Amino acid sequence: EVQLLESGGGLVQRGGSLRLSCTASAFTLRTYAMSWVRQAPGKGLEWVSGISGSGGNTYYADSVKGRFTISRDHSKNTLYLQMNSLRAEDTAVYYCAKKLGAGPYWDDWGQGTLVTVSS
Amino acid sequence: EIVLTQSPGTLSLSPGERATLSCRASQSSYLAWYQQKPGQAPRLLIYDATRRATGIPDRFSGSGSGTDFTLTISRLEPEDFAVYYCQQYDTSSRMYTFGQGTTLEIK
Repeated sequence: EVQLLESGGGLVQRGGSLRLSCTASAFTLRTYAMSWVRQAPGKGLEWVSGISGSGGNTYYADSVKGRFTISRDHSKNTLYLQMNSLRAEDTAVYYCAKKLGAGPYWDDWGQGTLVTVSS
Repeated sequence: EIVLTQSPGTLSLSPGERATLSCRASQSSYLAWYQQKPGQAPRLLIYDATRRATGIPDRFSGSGSGTDFTLTISRLEPEDFAVYYCQQYDTSSRMYTFGQGTTLEIK
């Protein structure tokens, strides 16, 4: 059974940095494109960033471009999200999600990790 | 940038009834529907507008094309009361957009 386990969330001050990790099991990360999707408290879903299977192509929402960096370590089967210059509006639960084959959808999700940015 | 508008914002129905949720897009593109229950991650229900994801009961169906899409739940079960989101991908900007969600609540 595919599992995605996020970690690295927590409380950070405005302007600070945090690195989220998402460790995959029961599948090889390099085989699939992956994304990070976040959800602010009581709000809807927002796509944050995506990376191709090979890791050669990365994509970002305008709201995080220049501040967040997505990457992957194939040897650890782990996806990362480096978050710098954090703002109060970055406070959210962050989910990693696996793409459904070549389609632009996600069929497997982690349980999420909460990031709280204090002002 | 794609804008997705879901309606209604909240739908109050009883178990056994039929639910019809709408998603209107500003552009024509691939479309998916997700279900999210409190404290849980989203779950893919429908992709390519009409195809059910693995393990999704056949009471869930998707229809529509172009810019108007519908998620139908034929006979509501107690576990179906949740928030539903539609999602699209913009091939030109390579970005993804979600609708604001429809809350399906027990009447």
